[in-house]
Amino acid sequence: EDQVTQSPEALRLQEGESSSLNCSYTVSGLRGLFWYRQDPGKGPEFLFTLYSAGEEKEKERLKATLTKKESFLHITAPKPEDSATYLCAGGIQGAQKLVFGQGTRLTINP
Amino acid sequence: DTGVSQDPRHKITKRGQNVTFRCDPISEHNRLYWYRQTLGQGPEFLTYFQNEAQLEKSRLLSDRFSAERPKGSFSTLEIQRTEQGDSAMYLCASSLVPNREQYFGPGTRLTVT
Repeated sequence: EDQVTQSPEALRLQEGESSSLNCSYTVSGLRGLFWYRQDPGKGPEFLFTLYSAGEEKEKERLKATLTKKESFLHITAPKPEDSATYLCAGGIQGAQKLVFGQGTRLTINP
Repeated sequence: DTGVSQDPRHKITKRGQNVTFRCDPISEHNRLYWYRQTLGQGPEFLTYFQNEAQLEKSRLLSDRFSAERPKGSFSTLEIQRTEQGDSAMYLCASSLVPNREQYFGPGTRLTVT
């Protein structure tokens, strides 16, 4: 069964304290690994897509990387406005749906 | 704003009532998706349209759920005889090409009392 698992479930950091979020996947024929940010009460906001192992994408303080088994979202010198739930999702070969992990709830304290 | 829009944003209904939600995708996107999200979980796929054709349906989509996209533009999701377990955020997304990023709307929060 296609599955995406994120860890940790929740993470508290001090402003400026860098860390990484993990997304491991067991998906038959991965067709893209997607990262989204979700603020409370809102829909997910697209951040990155990665297609090949070794690929990296960056946006401001965020960098996403991909291996054959997992993806990492690195956050460098975070600010309180980076507080949100970060979701990763796998695209499935032969289907159009995304399979989401349960998310990592990130809190950045000033 | 030319993003995905959903209406209503919030719906409170009594158990047993029918509800209908609307989604307007990004105008040039011909692919439209419905997902359901409960508290503390990631979105779960419900169904997918390419233009007006409904091409994928999840086992989560019971007989009480029906979705339409009559002219390949907006879509509606109807839940008949609502149950308390239907309480969730219903998310709509759209995309332009397959296997690429999906853009989500703000969601409709359903509460069944």
